[in-house]
Amino acid sequence: DVKVTQSSRYLVKRTGEKVFLECVQDMDHENMFWYRQDPGLGLRLIYFSYDVKMKEKGDIPEGYSVSREKKERFSLILESASTNQTSMYLCASWGRREQYFGPGTRLTVT
Amino acid sequence: AQTVTQSQPEMSVQEAETVTLSCTYDTSESDYYLFWYKQPPSRQMILVIRQEAYKQQNATENRFSVNFQKAAKSFSLKISDSQLGDAAMYFCAYQAGANSKLTFGKGITLSVRP
Repeated sequence: DVKVTQSSRYLVKRTGEKVFLECVQDMDHENMFWYRQDPGLGLRLIYFSYDVKMKEKGDIPEGYSVSREKKERFSLILESASTNQTSMYLCASWGRREQYFGPGTRLTVT
Repeated sequence: AQTVTQSQPEMSVQEAETVTLSCTYDTSESDYYLFWYKQPPSRQMILVIRQEAYKQQNATENRFSVNFQKAAKSFSLKISDSQLGDAAMYFCAYQAGANSKLTFGKGITLSVRP
């Protein structure tokens, strides 16, 4: 069975903190993605990676960075968290026919 | 740039009835794929159905089927014999060719009345 896991379901951080969201897939997929989901806005692509150490900006990369040191792990980094980054963050990996999603991390920045 | 439009934010259906969720998209590509994803409350997003643009036949998966109108750039999802477990947010998504990136619509919240 395909599995994408995210390090936390819920996270509360303070403004200015550095935040790491981690995603792991066990399917040997090359392509991985980070989205944020906000009510009324759907899913918006932040960054994606098509190979280890490779990354490309998505539609809303400002305020975020990513790291992919190993094929199975894709991390999203908020260098200095702000309240407008309070959101649901979804990780996904591409399995030739579809994207497989993790359970999501609901991040609140206070 | 490709866009995906889901104009209805919410819909409601009676259990055992049929409901159709609308989606339109804009693209200049000839080779692409379309998807419907389901996100149940507090649960993982899963694929409902996938359609290849080069196929004229509409995709079906059990109670789920699509009405793919390529010329009109329309891709609606029909859910037959609706069940309480169908209550979820549904997202329409577009993929250009072999590119693995998806463009999502804003989603629609479907409620099922018992």
